[in-house]
Amino acid sequence: KAGVTQTPRYLIKTRGQQVTLSCSPISGHRSVSWYQQTPGQGLQFLFEYFSETQRNKGNFPGRFSGRQFSNSRSEMNVSTLELGDSALYLCASSHRDRVANEQFFGPGTRLTVL
Amino acid sequence: GDSVTQMEGPVTLSEEAFLTINCTYTATGYPSLFWYVQYPGEGLQLLLKATKADDKGSNKGFEATYRKETTSFHLEKGSVQVSDSAVYFCALSGYAGNMLTFGGGTRLMVKP
Repeated sequence: KAGVTQTPRYLIKTRGQQVTLSCSPISGHRSVSWYQQTPGQGLQFLFEYFSETQRNKGNFPGRFSGRQFSNSRSEMNVSTLELGDSALYLCASSHRDRVANEQFFGPGTRLTVL
Repeated sequence: GDSVTQMEGPVTLSEEAFLTINCTYTATGYPSLFWYVQYPGEGLQLLLKATKADDKGSNKGFEATYRKETTSFHLEKGSVQVSDSAVYFCALSGYAGNMLTFGGGTRLMVKP
C-alpha cells in the first residue's frame, strides 16, 4: 500500500505571497490532519478533515485554511505569508472511526519564506 | 487543555546502553498515548501506542507503560543501537478525535 504523499517537498516563497500544499492519504483513509513543525514551537495541530468537512481546528490565524476533496486528498493554503510561516508542514491520514487511530505521516513539505 | 512534557535533549548514549526518555501528560479523561520517531529528513513514524491504563506498548525493543496514577508514558529500551539515533516524540489524543498533542521532542544520539 502506498504511503502518504505530499507535494511539493520543498518550496521557497516571499513574504506576502500565498502557497498551496497538497496531501494524498493512504488509500481507504478518510481522515487527513495537518501539522506545523518549527524549531521554536515544535509540532502543532492545524486542522483535520474528514469526508470533506473540517472536524477540528488548531489555534492558527485565518490565513491558514484547508479543504478536502471527495477522493480524500487534501490541500492546505496559507495566504499573505510571513517569515514565521517557515516550517515543515506534515500531513497525516488515518481511519477516523477506530479507537486510538494510528496516524500515518507523510514526509512533509518544507516551506521557506524569504 | 491537553499537554505533554518530555525531557529535553539531546540524550547521548553509547551503543548498548539503556535508554529512558521521560514523558508526562495532562489531559481530561482517558487519552490514548503514543511515541513517534522522526529520522532526519523524514516524517513521523509511530513507534508504539497504549490506549488504557497499565497497557504496555512495545515495538523494535522499545517499551512504554501507560501509568495513569503518575500520568506518565516513559520510553525505554534495554540496548540502543546507532540506528536508533533520531528524535522521539511523545503524544496523546483525547476526545477531539484525531488531534495529536505532542511533546517537544527528544533528540537521541547513539555513539558507536
